[in-house]
Amino acid sequence: DIQMTQSPSSLSASVGDRVTITCRASQSISTYLNWYQQKPGKAPKVLIYDASTLQSGVPLRFSGSGSGTDFTLTISSLQAEDFATYYCQQSLSTGDTFGPGTKVHIK
Amino acid sequence: QVQLVQSGAEVKKPGASVRVSCQASGYTFTAYSVHWVRQAPGQGLEWMGRINPNSGDATYAQNFRGRATMTRDTSISTAYMDLGGLRSDDTAVYYCATVLMAAAGVFDPWGQGTLITVSS
Repeated sequence: DIQMTQSPSSLSASVGDRVTITCRASQSISTYLNWYQQKPGKAPKVLIYDASTLQSGVPLRFSGSGSGTDFTLTISSLQAEDFATYYCQQSLSTGDTFGPGTKVHIK
Repeated sequence: QVQLVQSGAEVKKPGASVRVSCQASGYTFTAYSVHWVRQAPGQGLEWMGRINPNSGDATYAQNFRGRATMTRDTSISTAYMDLGGLRSDDTAVYYCATVLMAAAGVFDPWGQGTLITVSS
């Protein structure tokens, strides 16, 4: 199975900050990498797919990059509604698919 | 609109079994796989497995082989996830999700989640 890791596991930031979350795969997954945002009590919501394609309706402050094994999710200017947990997900192969998550806290 | 609606919360005793249902609407149910993902309290997302609603073939994560069974009823566009031998660490919210963007393997949409509590 492909293993996914994320860093950091949590971070504190202020409104307006630029935030970067990193996701790493244990083997190359090309661009088969998706990002989700999850708020308490809610199902995850897809933000980015194919590593860098913004899902319809997602604000432009979110962006994704990377290929192979290393990927990043960037929030260019953090807004109050962005405080949540973010997960990466590999979709190359069936199996362990999600990273452990990164919780973004209010500083 | 496309949506997945799951069955309600349940409380089960250790050793019991539970069935969670996931009814699809707004798209062709048999055309897209249905996945099951669970989330223990305060923890991350754990992929459990998937079912091809057309063929009925299911694939399970290693942690759930022999304990989880995924089935479907195409006549009512509903997928089911049965989990047996429940333990306290099976307490979690269980989600179904489909993959309408099959090429990207994106889980979207998701059901609303079903809380299963295992307690004596």
